[in-house]
Amino acid sequence: DGGITQSPKYLFRKEGQNVTLSCEQNLNHDAMYWYRQDPGQGLRLIYYSQIVNDFQKGDIAEGYSVSREKKESFPLTVTSAQKNPTAFYLCASSGLAGNEQFFGPGTRLTVL
Amino acid sequence: AQRVTQPEKLLSVFKGAPVELKCNYSYSGSPELFWYVQYSRQRLQLLLRHISRESIKGFTADLNKGETSFHLKKPFAQEEDSAMYYCALTGASKIIFGSGTRLSIRP
Repeated sequence: DGGITQSPKYLFRKEGQNVTLSCEQNLNHDAMYWYRQDPGQGLRLIYYSQIVNDFQKGDIAEGYSVSREKKESFPLTVTSAQKNPTAFYLCASSGLAGNEQFFGPGTRLTVL
Repeated sequence: AQRVTQPEKLLSVFKGAPVELKCNYSYSGSPELFWYVQYSRQRLQLLLRHISRESIKGFTADLNKGETSFHLKKPFAQEEDSAMYYCALTGASKIIFGSGTRLSIRP
């Protein structure tokens, strides 16, 4: 199960606090992605990055921010502006954008 | 609009029966289609992609451009096929997932 890791597995935060979710990959992949998984809604793309120092908004980017300072890392910050942050967050990577994606184990964020 | 539609949230079939998970898409260009699977307590992983035209774990999927469909089929269901299945489309660096179908195989 190596290759792409997410931490922590579970995260609890108080309303109004920003929180950063970690995603690291050692697959030498150029592209990385963040998804949100809600029951009955499948996976919705938050942000993606095809190359270091560049990223694009997905379908539900409001209230989230990302950075891509290193090829291996693509952290996601859930800001206080995100109206409904409690969810399961999945990170993925692929060799090239559009190719097979490899997924991390996910982080379940609960905002109290 | 670009979208992937999986009309069934839950599909329950008996062991040994045929399985068909439906996937329809709407995309203006030439997409690449995938099926991903998530078994209980495991990561989401690729099951198959249309360009490889191969059978994985007995599953096949044919891209029908006329009907804009990419249905996943297996002639004889096995209990270990119980999982969540997602159809996905990529094109021009954009990726879209369907809402998923939970497949439950009854013994």
